[in-house]
Amino acid sequence: KNEVEQSPQNLTAQEGEFITINCSYSVGISALHWLQQHPGGGIVSLFMLSSGKKKHGRLIATINIQEKHSSLHITASHPRDSAVYICAVPEGAQKLVFGQGTRLTINP
Amino acid sequence: EAGVTQSPTHLIKTRGQQATLRCSPISGHTSVYWYQQALGLGLQFLLWYDEGEERNRGNFPPRFSGRQFPNYSSELNVNALELEDSALYLCASSLGISLSEKLFFGSGTQLSVL
Repeated sequence: KNEVEQSPQNLTAQEGEFITINCSYSVGISALHWLQQHPGGGIVSLFMLSSGKKKHGRLIATINIQEKHSSLHITASHPRDSAVYICAVPEGAQKLVFGQGTRLTINP
Repeated sequence: EAGVTQSPTHLIKTRGQQATLRCSPISGHTSVYWYQQALGLGLQFLLWYDEGEERNRGNFPPRFSGRQFPNYSSELNVNALELEDSALYLCASSLGISLSEKLFFGSGTQLSVL
């Protein structure tokens, strides 16, 4: 069974700050998903990565397969980045296991 | 192109009743996943359908069931509703069966059991 731990659980920062959210998992995986859930529940898939680093706009995701760890970074954070960020990893071939999420609040 | 659509947006039921939730995947996607997100809790995997068949189910009782139709849309049925079934139910679709495929989520159905 794959255990997924995210940290921090809650994060409040000022607009413009550099944000890092961490995700650790216990069993080796083929790919890791980062999701963003906005107030109201809608979920958007941000990244899916299996090695190295991916960048999309101000968002950067990295993964270290050997250490079973991934980070999501947000540069020049903005209040519209306020959301819950969730990482998810496969358990076996047929199921995703989700972290509890990190609630990010960016104050203007 | 339309995204994943779910209906209804909100559903209010009383204990013991049955609820039916619907999901239409993105055109061309054959896999549909159902997740439950209870208040204050993380996403929990419920069911996975692909090509009309149930591929896997999470740790939920049998009163949670569903099906996938030939057009790949899906229904989630919850029988004998209990208060703790109150949650946001999210549907996601993907192009294939690999969990390395990107997931696309619907906006969810908020189920309230009174």
